[in-house]
Amino acid sequence: AQTVTQSQPEMSVQEAETVTLSCTYDTSENNYYLFWYKQPPSRQMILVIRQEAYKQQNATENRFSVNFQKAAKSFSLKISDSQLGDTAMYFCAFMPGAQKLVFGQGTRLTINP
Amino acid sequence: KAGVTQTPRYLIKTRGQQVTLSCSPISGHRSVSWYQQTPGQGLQFLFEYFSETQRNKGNFPGRFSGRQFSNSRSEMNVSTLELGDSALYLCASTRTGSREQFFGPGTRLTVL
Repeated sequence: AQTVTQSQPEMSVQEAETVTLSCTYDTSENNYYLFWYKQPPSRQMILVIRQEAYKQQNATENRFSVNFQKAAKSFSLKISDSQLGDTAMYFCAFMPGAQKLVFGQGTRLTINP
Repeated sequence: KAGVTQTPRYLIKTRGQQVTLSCSPISGHRSVSWYQQTPGQGLQFLFEYFSETQRNKGNFPGRFSGRQFSNSRSEMNVSTLELGDSALYLCASTRTGSREQFFGPGTRLTVL
């Protein structure tokens, strides 16, 4: 079975700090996609960043970057210069060949002023 | 471009009733996926439709069904509602050839 594990249920940092959210996954597939989604209190799921497994280069989107370790099946998200608007639930998600997302349980991130 | 829209946003039903939720994808997107989000089980995949055909299905009982119309709009139906069906139901659309799913605001279903 394909599973995604986020080991940090909650995290809290001060504004402007850097924070790293952890994610590991389990799969026997070689080609797949990984995503980080953000769900603020409004409950709207927002795509933060994506990574194709066949790409060795880590994805970056402005203040958001990932550390993708394929052999270790690890996909962590780093948020630099954190802002109050980054407060949200963050979900790591895995997509195998099919158009179907498998989500982790989420990390509740709070950015304090 | 308008985002994914879902109607209704909130719904209250009683046990045993049935419910239909609607999802309109982003214009040009032909794949629509549905997810159930609950505090206990988290986010779980229900099914995915593409060109009016169910292409993928999650592990939900047959009470959960869906369909897609020629304009790519999708509906999901839950029959014989149970208390445990109370959840946020999210739909997401994807452009052909892409893997990025864009989510709607969800429908909050409460079963009493």
